[in-house]
Order: sequence, then structure tokens, then C-alpha cells
Amino acid sequence: EDKVVQSPLSLVVHEGDTVTLNCSYEVTNFRSLLWYKQEKKAPTFLFMLTSSGIEKKSGRLSSILDKKELSSILNITATQTGDSAIYLCAVEGLEYGNKLVFGAGTILRVKS
Amino acid sequence: GAVVSQHPSWVICKSGTSVKIECRSLDFQATTMFWYRQFPKQSLMLMATSNEGSKATYEQGVEKDKFLINHASLTLSTLTVTSAHPEDSSFYICSARDRPYTGELFFGEGSRLTVL
Repeated sequence: EDKVVQSPLSLVVHEGDTVTLNCSYEVTNFRSLLWYKQEKKAPTFLFMLTSSGIEKKSGRLSSILDKKELSSILNITATQTGDSAIYLCAVEGLEYGNKLVFGAGTILRVKS
Repeated sequence: GAVVSQHPSWVICKSGTSVKIECRSLDFQATTMFWYRQFPKQSLMLMATSNEGSKATYEQGVEKDKFLINHASLTLSTLTVTSAHPEDSSFYICSARDRPYTGELFFGEGSRLTVL
């Protein structure tokens, strides 16, 4: 059974801190791993990772995939209060429809 | 960018009634849409894969007769919660790709259902 495990489940930091969120997975015929940010409503897309060892970067956020370890990390540097959200990791396998399996998410709260 | 619209965003209904939630892809055609359910402080649970012109594929444990999914066109999928009960209260989110298999997955804004 496909499975995605995120850690930590929740995290409280101060503005300016750097955080690292973890995601490990088990999936049949891995295709990609995706990170989403969810605030009040639907998740918004952050990154899609398919190749191991290649860092993807967007502003203060970056992410990398390790296919050998079946894991990924999401880094946020110089955190701001606007980064407070639930960060969801999802994986998709090579099956019909490419449905995503989501992890439980990491609740991040950045205090000012 | 591609947009997925969901309606209504918020609905309250009485036990025993049925509620329909619409999911539309506004500027692209979606042969496949996905319906998720999310309980408070929990992750998204895939309920079913909605296929245009054919029957939906439901995940294990999801009642087909309770959660009716129709994907009548390339831009519209509907989820009907039939004979709703308070335990059906949840946040329902749909998603769709702008290109099959390789496109980015876009989410609707979600529909919060409260059953009294």
C-alpha cells in the first residue's frame, strides 16, 4: 500500500529561523513527489520533484528528492509569519489517473 | 494559469438531504478530476477519480451510492452527497490536471459541508 509520512507533525519557530520539513514515502512505480502549501482553503503548488539530487528553488523555499532514501526535504529560510501554513507532501505512481497519495502534513507556525 | 473552480464554497444542510458540489476547469479540458475529503487538521484523503464519460473509480472504503460522482463533460465534474448525515460534514476538494499524466495538478478552492 502506498504511504507518505511527514515529520514533524507540527512546528513553531520565530521569524528569521530556518526550517526543514521531511517527507518519506513508499509507492509502487514512483513518478513524482510534490509539495503543497495549504492555508485556509485549497493547497497551492510549490514543487514537483522527479529526479534525485536536483534542488528546486523558489525564493526562500527549496526542496530536494533522494530516491535512494525514498525521501524529500522542504527548506524554508528566513521564515516569515506568512509562511505559517500546513505543508503537504504527496507522491504519485505510474498508475491510471496518476492519483496523489498525501502525507498528513506539517503544521508550521511562525511567530513574530 | 489554469484555474479550477468549485461551487458552493460553503453549504449547510439538514440530515437526510442531498447536496451537490460542482468542480469546473475554467480554461482547460480535464479528462480526469479527483475528489478529496479533508477532516480538520488532517490530510487530504482521495475519495474517487472522476473520468469524463465513464464511471468514477472509488477508493476503498468510499461508498459509491452515498457519494455520487458524475463527469458529464470535459470541464465539469459533480459530487453529490446523498442522504447526508452529520458525519459527512467535511471539507471537499476537487483537483484536475491541465494535461493528462504530466500536467500540473490544480485544486479547486474547496467546499465546506456542514450537515445539521
